[in-house]
Amino acid sequence: DAGVIQSPRHEVTEMGQEVTLRCKPISGHNSLFWYRQTMMRGLELLIYFNNNVPIDDSGMPEDRFSAKMPNASFSTLKIQPSEPRDSAVYFCASMLAGAADTQYFGPGTRLTVL
Amino acid sequence: AQSVTQPDIHITVSEGASLELRCNYSYGATPYLFWYVQSPGQGLQLLLKYFSGDTLVQGIKGFEAEFKRSQSSFNLRKPSVHWSDAAEYFCAVGATGGGADGLTFGKGTHLIIQP
Repeated sequence: DAGVIQSPRHEVTEMGQEVTLRCKPISGHNSLFWYRQTMMRGLELLIYFNNNVPIDDSGMPEDRFSAKMPNASFSTLKIQPSEPRDSAVYFCASMLAGAADTQYFGPGTRLTVL
Repeated sequence: AQSVTQPDIHITVSEGASLELRCNYSYGATPYLFWYVQSPGQGLQLLLKYFSGDTLVQGIKGFEAEFKRSQSSFNLRKPSVHWSDAAEYFCAVGATGGGADGLTFGKGTHLIIQP
């Protein structure tokens, strides 16, 4: 199993630009999570999907952030426009909900907004 | 809402010595508890989890943790640390189904191993 795949691994962009982070969950998993890790706030849940449907997006910081899951094998997290305070590591995780499973994390995308 | 406190930001341990990392949680019902480890530049790897049953759980890499409901704690232990254990350790709590509605993490404990 390839595990959770995230791309890109590193992204450097300028303030005001659009940023798209991508995630491929583990095959067969039905839940997908986006987390953000910063020094100040630690690891925070941004949004999660179950069976491709967004269930809870209360962690999304503001309207500049959006996430989609068009199918079971792909999700995106978009920031438009980006700001320096969005600089963080963004993790995607997936799990098989309802099977006493646990979340498996991808390697993360390190985003730097200049 | 649930919360997790890891009181120690940094811990330094000599190689071969024992280790205990503290974790306290706040949650009204029976929690699902986890310990993850993060090496520099890497994602999070699950060390162990507690869902129910035996309150002493064994994990990978020789780690164990004990759930103490009366103390709202889930401390991580290892009898003898190796230099490769140097990393960031996160305790997390989930409310339902193993964290199916997301995990709440502590701020982490940075483990330093002295030769």
